[in-house]
Amino acid sequence: KAGVTQTPRYLIKTRGQQVTLSCSPISGHRSVSWYQQTPGQGLQFLFEYFSETQRNKGNFPGRFSGRQFSNSRSEMNVSTLELGDSALYLCASSSGQGRTEAFFGQGTRLTVV
Amino acid sequence: GQQLNQSPQSMFIQEGEDVSMNCTSSSIFNTWLWYKQDPGEGPVLLIALYKAGELTSNGRLTAQFGITRKDSFLNISASIPSDVGIYFCAGPHSGGGADGLTFGKGTHLIIQP
Repeated sequence: KAGVTQTPRYLIKTRGQQVTLSCSPISGHRSVSWYQQTPGQGLQFLFEYFSETQRNKGNFPGRFSGRQFSNSRSEMNVSTLELGDSALYLCASSSGQGRTEAFFGQGTRLTVV
Repeated sequence: GQQLNQSPQSMFIQEGEDVSMNCTSSSIFNTWLWYKQDPGEGPVLLIALYKAGELTSNGRLTAQFGITRKDSFLNISASIPSDVGIYFCAGPHSGGGADGLTFGKGTHLIIQP
């Protein structure tokens, strides 16, 4: 069974640009969550999607958005990039039905210059 | 919001030693998850705990769900070089369901040959 796949692995963007990251969950999983990981703040929850609907959202500005498609694949978008958005962005997949276990992808390393 | 406090922050041990780390919270958690993260990779789920007092093993790893539901412990027996990494505890935001995880800051495990 394939794991969680995130693309791309690495990205370099300039301040003010926007970026889209992609995540394919484990087959059969309907929940996708996104996290930001930085050395200072650790792992922080961005948002969670289940069956194409955002179920929960962390404490991040509106520049961070996401969506989920009917095949459960998800994308997150960050607009008007800031230097502080440089981080490892992680996607986690879970069944979304009563089980809390989340399985992570390898992440996308975003560097904003 | 909910916070998870992990200790110790770092551990320097000799190969073959046993390791013990813990995670505490001011809030009750209904689920405790333990993850390990290697550099440049996403966290890998090690053990999931769902019941107060539960003790679960996964090879040389043993984790316990504290009876107060406000803490959890992870032990590693007879450490080996590949145990090096960062260990995170995590629990669901609202105590249940797949609506995002709160993570501790991690315990860095370093093994000296």
